[in-house]
Formats: sequence, structure tokens, C-alpha cells
Amino acid sequence: AQSVTQLDSQVPVFEEAPVELRCNYSSSVSVYLFWYVQYPNQGLQLLLKYLSGSTLVKGINGFEAEFNKSQTSFHLRKPSVHISDTAEYFCAVVSMDSNYQLIWGAGTKLIIKP
Amino acid sequence: GAGVSQTPSNKVTEKGKYVELRCDPISGHTALYWYRQSLGQGPEFLIYFQGTGAADDSGLPNDRFFAVRPEGSVSTLKIQRTERGDSAVYLCASSPTGQSNYGYTFGSGTRLTVV
Repeated sequence: AQSVTQLDSQVPVFEEAPVELRCNYSSSVSVYLFWYVQYPNQGLQLLLKYLSGSTLVKGINGFEAEFNKSQTSFHLRKPSVHISDTAEYFCAVVSMDSNYQLIWGAGTKLIIKP
Repeated sequence: GAGVSQTPSNKVTEKGKYVELRCDPISGHTALYWYRQSLGQGPEFLIYFQGTGAADDSGLPNDRFFAVRPEGSVSTLKIQRTERGDSAVYLCASSPTGQSNYGYTFGSGTRLTVV
């Protein structure tokens, strides 16, 4: 079985400052990892994913994430946030065995302060 | 269609009533998923369809919940004898195949409120 922990329920940050949203996972098998973003009153949108290869993954809107197998982490970063990044961010994993059922973290609300 | 469409966007119903939630996936996507998202939590898997058949319905919480996809495209999630605890956002997603490494495309969800 897998589980995902997002360590912060809310992260407030000033506009143009860098941000890191933390995600740790637990799994007895190899997994694929995902970050999704949910803007207010909208559906979930894929930001980026790690399947294999380079551990640094670049996604949309200037976000990137680094897969660290030894620490079982997949933290999301952006060097300079904008007010439009205000949203909830979800980390998710799927077992390479099951290959379809995503296991989700509880989400992190990113709050941008002007 | 261009994206995954879910209707209605909001549904308020009385306890004990029957509701149907509809999902229209991206054209040509064979895989369709239903998730439920309660306030302050991540989505929770309900059921996965590959074509017309339910490949995995292990996430349905009890026998009041049922879903169909009769022609392999549109799916309907049906909830009988609704309870207040069923209140949540019900999310539908589709993908080209059953392999999620492609990444799902989600609809905007149906917010169900049972009063």
C-alpha cells in the first residue's frame, strides 16, 4: 500500500518570493509521482510528473520538483511566485504495479501575500 | 469534447433521496475514473472503468453507490438513499488508456450537498 503526506496544510508567501511545497510518500513498491494544482472552483490540473530518468522534473507555470528516492520525497518548488499561483496543490503517487489508482496527499493551500 | 465535462456542477438534495451525477470524458479516452473529495482532504478513489466495464470498484463505500458506463463513453454515478456524510465534491477523470503515467484529465467536479 502507498500513502502520501503533505507536511503543510497552508503555506503563506510574499509575491515574487520562492516557495517549496513538501511531499513525502511511503510505498513498498516503485511509484510514479505527480503534482496537481486546483484553482478555486476548478478541476485538478496536472502540473508535472516523475516517471523515470532525471530526478529534476520541470512542469507548467514555472514549477519544478525533485524526486529523492532515499528520502522518499517529491518537493515542489518555484523560484518566484505570482498572485495567480494562489491555489491548492496536491501530491499523488501511483504504484507501477497497479498503474491507475492515484493515492493523494491532503493538499497544501498556497497563499500569496501582496 | 475538449475536456472532461461533469454535470450538474452543484446538487443539493434531501437526505434519503436518489441522485445521479454525470461525466462526459474526453472523446476516445477508454479509461474513466471517479473520485470523491471531502473538505480539507485529497481525492479518494471510487471506481475505474476500462471501456464499458468496471475494472475496479473497490473504492465504492457501500452498496448505495453504483456507477455505469454503458457505451464506453459517458458515465453516471448513482447514489441511493443519500446521507449527510455523502456530501463532497465528486470528481471524474479520464485518460487515453488505463495507465495513469499519462496523467489524468479531471473535470471540474460536482459538489453534492445532502441536507
